[in-house]
Amino acid sequence: GAVVSQHPSWVICKSGTSVKIECRSLDFQATTMFWYRQFPKQSLMLMATSNEGSKATYEQGVEKDKFLINHASLTLSTLTVTSAHPEDSSFYICSARDEEQGAFGSPLHFGNGTRLTVT
Amino acid sequence: AQKITQTQPGMFVQEKEAVTLDCTYDTSDPSYGLFWYKQPSSGEMIFLIYQGSYDQQNATEGRYSLNFQKARKSANLVISASQLGDSAMYFCAMREGEYNQGGKLIFGQGTELSVKP
Repeated sequence: GAVVSQHPSWVICKSGTSVKIECRSLDFQATTMFWYRQFPKQSLMLMATSNEGSKATYEQGVEKDKFLINHASLTLSTLTVTSAHPEDSSFYICSARDEEQGAFGSPLHFGNGTRLTVT
Repeated sequence: AQKITQTQPGMFVQEKEAVTLDCTYDTSDPSYGLFWYKQPSSGEMIFLIYQGSYDQQNATEGRYSLNFQKARKSANLVISASQLGDSAMYFCAMREGEYNQGGKLIFGQGTELSVKP
């Protein structure tokens, strides 16, 4: 089945530093990937849609300059949290759909998430 | 406006019994899809079941079935013969529009299911 790998699983960084999170589709190509953010016991909130070879589309209220997204190849998207602050501490999870499955009903496959703690 | 609503923050069920997790949605798009995911405490998202807006029959996948009532805009998940391993967060999600950008999903608030032995 389609596998999405996300790295790192967890990261602790100091306030003011930047953190990069990688999301890879291992056995399929994805022109589009999605980045979600989740606080404990809460829903997954869509942050942005990552588009291969073009700019990401950000959801309303998400700071583009803070959450930099790069989708340089058909199997890799990265999210960089710049100048991280404690309020950026959260669970970040990426996802992608195997577009070759074609059907409207094909599910999003998720990475295992990255737990970011900013001290 | 909330597009996906799950009104049960937490649910308890006895092992081996069935449980229904509620989900209502709001869309004006005639073409949409509804998904259910399970999220254990480890954080991974596990796809369970899908129902398309044009599907005539309710979807079923093993112990999971979806009670789709289009006129009421509800897509409730039914888990039969609950197991201890079913304890997790459950999310309902919707995809709108056949040409939706890449197929993004919008999620409900989630329901935390606890299965009692």
